[in-house]
Amino acid sequence: AQSVTQLDSQVPVFEEAPVELRCNYSSSVSVYLFWYVQYPNQGLQLLLKYLSGSTLVKGINGFEAEFNKSQTSFHLRKPSVHISDTAEYFCAVSGSLFNKFYFGSGTKLNVKP
Amino acid sequence: NAGVTQTPKFQVLKTGQSMTLQCAQDMNHNSMYWYRQDPGMGLRLIYYSASEGTTDKGEVPNGYNVSRLNKREFSLRLESAAPSQTSVYFCASRGRGPSYNEQFFGPGTRLTVL
Repeated sequence: AQSVTQLDSQVPVFEEAPVELRCNYSSSVSVYLFWYVQYPNQGLQLLLKYLSGSTLVKGINGFEAEFNKSQTSFHLRKPSVHISDTAEYFCAVSGSLFNKFYFGSGTKLNVKP
Repeated sequence: NAGVTQTPKFQVLKTGQSMTLQCAQDMNHNSMYWYRQDPGMGLRLIYYSASEGTTDKGEVPNGYNVSRLNKREFSLRLESAAPSQTSVYFCASRGRGPSYNEQFFGPGTRLTVL
């Protein structure tokens, strides 16, 4: 079975500060990892994904994430956040068939001026 | 290209009423999904359809039925709504080619059961 844990339900941060949103997963098989963003009253959209290869993955809007197999983590980072990054962020995991995706409980990022 | 569309956007039901949530995609995707989103619980998979004519249960299928009407449409039915089904429901489809591992989400249906 696969599962995802997002340790922080809310992260407040000031504009232009760096941020890290944490994600840990559990799985007994190879996994593929994703970060999605949800802006208020909208559906989810893909930020970035790790399938294989380089463990540092770059996504849209200046976000990046690092896959760490030994720590079973896939933390999301941005060196300098903007007000427009205020949203809820979801980490997700899937197996090789990609027929099921398991989502974490989400982290609300609140960027303050 | 509208992507994934869902109707209605909002709905209020009384306990015991039935309704169908509609979802359609115009991207020629094979796989489609229904999720529910509850505060602090993220998205949980209700049902999915790997291809036209097939459906499978997800994590929380009880109280729901689905129909994959054709390749474009995947509907979710609540036969006898309960307050515990108050939630935001998202439909998604999975891409093809370079996007075969990526899900595309609709805008959601906010359902309240009184």
